[in-house]
Amino acid sequence: GQQLNQSPQSMFIQEGEDVSMNCTSSSIFNTWLWYKQDPGEGPVLLIALYKAGELTSNGRLTAQFGITRKDSFLNISASIPSDVGIYFCATLGNQGGKLIFGQGTELSVKP
Amino acid sequence: GAVVSQHPSRVICKSGTSVKIECRSLDFQATTMFWYRQFPKQSLMLMATSNEGSKATYEQGVEKDKFLINHASLTLSTLTVTSAHPEDSSFYICSGTIGGPKETQYFGPGTRLLVL
Repeated sequence: GQQLNQSPQSMFIQEGEDVSMNCTSSSIFNTWLWYKQDPGEGPVLLIALYKAGELTSNGRLTAQFGITRKDSFLNISASIPSDVGIYFCATLGNQGGKLIFGQGTELSVKP
Repeated sequence: GAVVSQHPSRVICKSGTSVKIECRSLDFQATTMFWYRQFPKQSLMLMATSNEGSKATYEQGVEKDKFLINHASLTLSTLTVTSAHPEDSSFYICSGTIGGPKETQYFGPGTRLLVL
């Protein structure tokens, strides 16, 4: 079936460092979404990408929709402690609006 | 905009009892609502899709008689875990979508269920 492979699984970084995570698939998609989930909360949409090659920023976050439509990356610049959480990539499958999620990247930021 | 609330935020119940979780879209009409469960350190797993006024569509392996979903209006969907058992303990999250070509899902804050 359709699957997203997200990496890395976890990251431990120092405050101020830049972070990069990505999502790949063997299938082609028309949408890439990046969500952040804080502990004990629901996911919050960070960036939505709808066009191959699209590069979109949201503050210190930047995400790109891969030109092959099979991948996407999320970069966080100058990380701060409140960036801690789990980041999920997601995309719309071909079954009535259902989201397919990556496995998540758990980010820890050391002050 | 696009805020989704859930109630309760956490619930503890005895084995064998039923628990109802509410999901509301506060500032938009959700044509479709989704229910997920999430175990610790794992991704979200879709349980069912519900459209207002019609029966929910359940994912493979999810018991529809165990997890009753009612989507009474465009702003309210409920999930009832019937005869809950300890293995039903999990984090349940709903989402709503406005629909249309982009179909962005907006998630609720989740409900932590602990069955003793």
